[in-house]
Amino acid sequence: KQEVTQIPAALSVPEGENLVLNCSFTDSAIYNLQWFRQDPGKGLTSLLLIQSSQREQTSGRLNASLDKSSGRSTLYIAASQPGDSATYLCAVRGEKSSGDKLTFGTGTRLAVRP
Amino acid sequence: DAMVIQNPRYQVTQFGKPVTLSCSQTLNHNVMYWYQQKSSQAPKLLFHYYDKDFNNEADTPDNFQSRRPNTSFCFLDIRSPGLGDAAMYLCATGQGYTQYFGPGTRLLVL
Repeated sequence: KQEVTQIPAALSVPEGENLVLNCSFTDSAIYNLQWFRQDPGKGLTSLLLIQSSQREQTSGRLNASLDKSSGRSTLYIAASQPGDSATYLCAVRGEKSSGDKLTFGTGTRLAVRP
Repeated sequence: DAMVIQNPRYQVTQFGKPVTLSCSQTLNHNVMYWYQQKSSQAPKLLFHYYDKDFNNEADTPDNFQSRRPNTSFCFLDIRSPGLGDAAMYLCATGQGYTQYFGPGTRLLVL
């Protein structure tokens, strides 16, 4: 059974700092990995999706990397801003999944201090 | 221009009183999902539809049912809500490799 772990559970940084969020998964037989953002009391917004054949994806100040063989992904946020404060979730889709099933981590709660 | 719409955003029900949450989409996606997310926990898949083909997760309680009358709409029925069913319920649609989530319905059980 796939398990996804995110470390740290919470993180507080001053504005402008670069930061890295970590995600690990136990079964490396994944089809892709996705990073989401969740604001308090809201739904999920997809940030980046990395296919299993890719090493990284970039969108603006966000860069996600994937090391499938070691079961790890990182989300790098450059020049953090207070508006980046949210919970960040990673989710993996297994190779043998049907119906595009995602397994989520519990998230990292990020606070960026002005 | 909302793509996945969930109503209501907040729902209060009484212990044991049936409740229905609704989801609609304007994306015309074949797949629709219902997730349960409790406080500080990962979203947990309850079931999903591929077109009208219903797929229930093995550990989804019988208390939870779903209906999909057409491509655009999907409903989550909780037949006898317990205190442990208080959570955020997320609806999502799927196309290709990406899922698109609605804003969620927060359910409170009194």
